[in-house]
Amino acid sequence: GAGVSQSPSNKVTEKGKDVELRCDPISGHTALYWYRQSLGQGLEFLIYFQGNSAPDKSGLPSDRFSAERTGGSVSTLTIQRTQQEDSAVYLCASSLNRGEAFFGQGTRLTVV
Amino acid sequence: AQSVTQLGSHVSVSEGALVLLRCNYSSSVPPYLFWYVQYPNQGLQLLLKYTSAATLVKGINGFEAEFKKSETSFHLTKPSAHMSDAAEYFCAVTRASSASKIIFGSGTRLSIRP
Repeated sequence: GAGVSQSPSNKVTEKGKDVELRCDPISGHTALYWYRQSLGQGLEFLIYFQGNSAPDKSGLPSDRFSAERTGGSVSTLTIQRTQQEDSAVYLCASSLNRGEAFFGQGTRLTVV
Repeated sequence: AQSVTQLGSHVSVSEGALVLLRCNYSSSVPPYLFWYVQYPNQGLQLLLKYTSAATLVKGINGFEAEFKKSETSFHLTKPSAHMSDAAEYFCAVTRASSASKIIFGSGTRLSIRP
């Protein structure tokens, strides 16, 4: 595709349920990032994938959060047993090595 | 570890006035630095980037930023604000030496007064 695609664009879930957020990066981009943006907050780093290297998971806030990137392309961010504080916009970005990061439109997650 | 600090969560200027958004970084290794902009209800897009070629970097829409190693700063400026500049601006840092995560600041919301 022409840009980074994220799905769904909006997700409402009940507290305690698991959710999966999907990111389709720009074809050929070796790096993929996940961030969380809460109201009035900046972009909180979650996880970073670079090629075939082990991902940098240092930003994941708890063991309820996990992510994978299959075949060096599509990535899925999974949140288990969602809590209300998980409500935020989850942003995915991709880049070619250390170049400009291109962002998707995000998934707005609401936990009720 | 790397980090950026954006001074001022909200800046308001008059149309036609100078825009100055402050960013200070912390990095134990040479950095690459970025400014991103997020217009209302839109995704983030790159304004400009410093990748060690030149300390004064020019970006889109008349914005520029100067890398000052001695001050660990990368402030964003525009000589004359336009109403369309109203947006959220984010400063970001990554390692210059190898591929690494990009760390963002908390953002500065720029408002333009008519």
